[in-house]
Amino acid sequence: EAGVAQSPRYKIIEKRQSVAFWCNPISGHATLYWYQQILGQGPKLLIQFQNNGVVDDSQLPKDRFSAERLKGVDSTLKIQPAKLEDSAVYLCASSLQAGANYGYTFGSGTRLTVV
Amino acid sequence: KNEVEQSPQNLTAQEGEFITINCSYSVGISALHWLQQHPGGGIVSLFMLSSGKKKHGRLIATINIQEKHSSLHITASHPRDSAVYICAVVGETSGSRLTFGEGTQLTVNP
Repeated sequence: EAGVAQSPRYKIIEKRQSVAFWCNPISGHATLYWYQQILGQGPKLLIQFQNNGVVDDSQLPKDRFSAERLKGVDSTLKIQPAKLEDSAVYLCASSLQAGANYGYTFGSGTRLTVV
Repeated sequence: KNEVEQSPQNLTAQEGEFITINCSYSVGISALHWLQQHPGGGIVSLFMLSSGKKKHGRLIATINIQEKHSSLHITASHPRDSAVYICAVVGETSGSRLTFGEGTQLTVNP
């Protein structure tokens, strides 16, 4: 079974620039999550999708962050414009369905550095 | 105070030692996950449990729901076990959202 694919692995941009990250979850997984992990901290949920609908985006900074999962499969997370404090690893994860009884599979993450 | 607290933050052991990492949480939960994160960012799910004990190879995870506490044990530790170990919980009222602890950095020396 292929894992959760993320790209790019690394990205360096200047503040105020835009950046986009891509995630392809495990085939058949209905639930997709984007997490932000700042160095030295645990990951924080940015947004959760169930198929192509948003379930939880309460911690997404909507003035600069956006995400979509138009066909209910792969997803894109965008930051526009980026700030220095956005430097972090952005993790994508998927599960078969939403709910406590379903395990997560994580991607390798995209490490963003904003200079 | 974080909803999920791990201890210790850093742990150094010699190869072969028995290792315990602890996790305490302050909310009612539906499930608790133990995760492993290697340098470079990728996270691997080790265990998901809601009661009792699970074992996989040299890894054992236990949970005490009444005491809101879980432990991850590694027997006969090896340098390749060096990683960050993260405890994460699914709160009873948080859907399937994971709330993470800050992780325990484990270094096993040969």
